[in-house]
Amino acid sequence: DQQVKQNSPSLSVQEGRISILNCDYTNSMFDYFLWYKKYPAEGPTFLISISSIKDKNEDGRFTVFLNKSAKHLSLHIVPSQPGDSAVYFCAARSSNYKLTFGKGTLLTVNP
Amino acid sequence: DAGVIQSPRHEVTEMGQEVTLRCKPISGHDYLFWYRQTMMRGLELLIYFNNNVPIDDSGMPEDRFSAKMPNASFSTLKIQPSEPRDSAVYFCASSLDFYEQYFGPGTRLTVT
Repeated sequence: DQQVKQNSPSLSVQEGRISILNCDYTNSMFDYFLWYKKYPAEGPTFLISISSIKDKNEDGRFTVFLNKSAKHLSLHIVPSQPGDSAVYFCAARSSNYKLTFGKGTLLTVNP
Repeated sequence: DAGVIQSPRHEVTEMGQEVTLRCKPISGHDYLFWYRQTMMRGLELLIYFNNNVPIDDSGMPEDRFSAKMPNASFSTLKIQPSEPRDSAVYFCASSLDFYEQYFGPGTRLTVT
């Protein structure tokens, strides 16, 4: 039973355009959401997060949107750069403080 | 700080052998997590510690898996005996609180 789902295994965009990565969750008790980026042969690195009491959080080129009623969050990258090419994981924190991860989306930004 | 350090980076062993993975968390972080990543199941939490004490080991798949944290700067994940289905990338992560976790580079384990 996947509580956090990233339905797109991969996404390809042109440099300079917007990248939109999506994530759906089923557990309404999740109270904090995070996005991690992972390069090959490295561990995931924290990118941006959002509390369940907010609907938007922005950090430079990265913006995360949360739609609680739809149990959906998305990560927007504008403008996309070739260095953004990586696997992006969505994660959600539950009341017992454990993180549940999605399976990831491979983003490829083409020059 | 050097970040979370894991060793070895790669481990190849034969079925039935004991495997020990090591982790040094970021200094000052009170939480330590062990994760396993596979194609089928993605990234899943095995166990986590708070102040060196195991808090939740519900993700540990079988009794063949054990983890210890003898002090604030060292943790081990042991598999005895290892099986081919244990082949995966094992990550250690540490955290100051329960918000952002900082991951190590991982250990790629192959059991033949």
